Amino acid sequence: LAKTTQPISMDSYEGQEVNITCSHNNIATNDYITWYQQFPSQGPRFIIQGYKTKVTNEVASLFIPADRKSSTLSLPRVSLSDTAVYYCLVGEMNRDDKIIFGKGTRLHILP
Amino acid sequence: SQTIHQWPATLVQPVGSPLSLECTVEGTSNPNLYWYRQAAGRGLQLLFYSVGIGQISSEVPQNLSASRPQDRQFILSSKKLLLSDSGFYLCAWSVFSGGEQYFGPGTRLTVT
Repeated sequence: LAKTTQPISMDSYEGQEVNITCSHNNIATNDYITWYQQFPSQGPRFIIQGYKTKVTNEVASLFIPADRKSSTLSLPRVSLSDTAVYYCLVGEMNRDDKIIFGKGTRLHILP
Repeated sequence: SQTIHQWPATLVQPVGSPLSLECTVEGTSNPNLYWYRQAAGRGLQLLFYSVGIGQISSEVPQNLSASRPQDRQFILSSKKLLLSDSGFYLCAWSVFSGGEQYFGPGTRLTVT
């Protein structure tokens, strides 16, 4: 079971690029990395998922180095509405057991 | 399109009382279903998941139970609530195990 470590909180300003790093030193060969966003009193929302190198979608990019022991979620040009908690998960595709969201990173965007 | 419903939105129950939270999914067939709990200021804890009718896997031993009487219905129950059962309960579904999960609006439970 791959445990993840993220910063507890981060501050940034509107218009900046924000990078949130997640450490997962004992990631297994079959594990994928997934990021979710959660606003207060709402369920988490899927952001992005990847296995290696780089994945990009309309809202974020996910960078995964060759050793896969860490990953970085990149949010381009953040706005106040990006203030939320961001969770990094590591888990095996086609398995549901041992899903761990952790405490996440509380991102606060300042005007 | 797919939607997920949870009710009630909020609930205040005394210690020792029973609990029943319901979750239903529309617009998809044979989804994987999940129950999570989030205590105040904490991350999400996976409680139960189900890959099919009548198939329930428990992740955390506790006084809660789950049932899946229909393909798109997932119920979380307790016979006797504890103070520690307070929290934000979230239901989610996915197309396949390990895939993207779609969460419902949640039920905020306060046990007094």
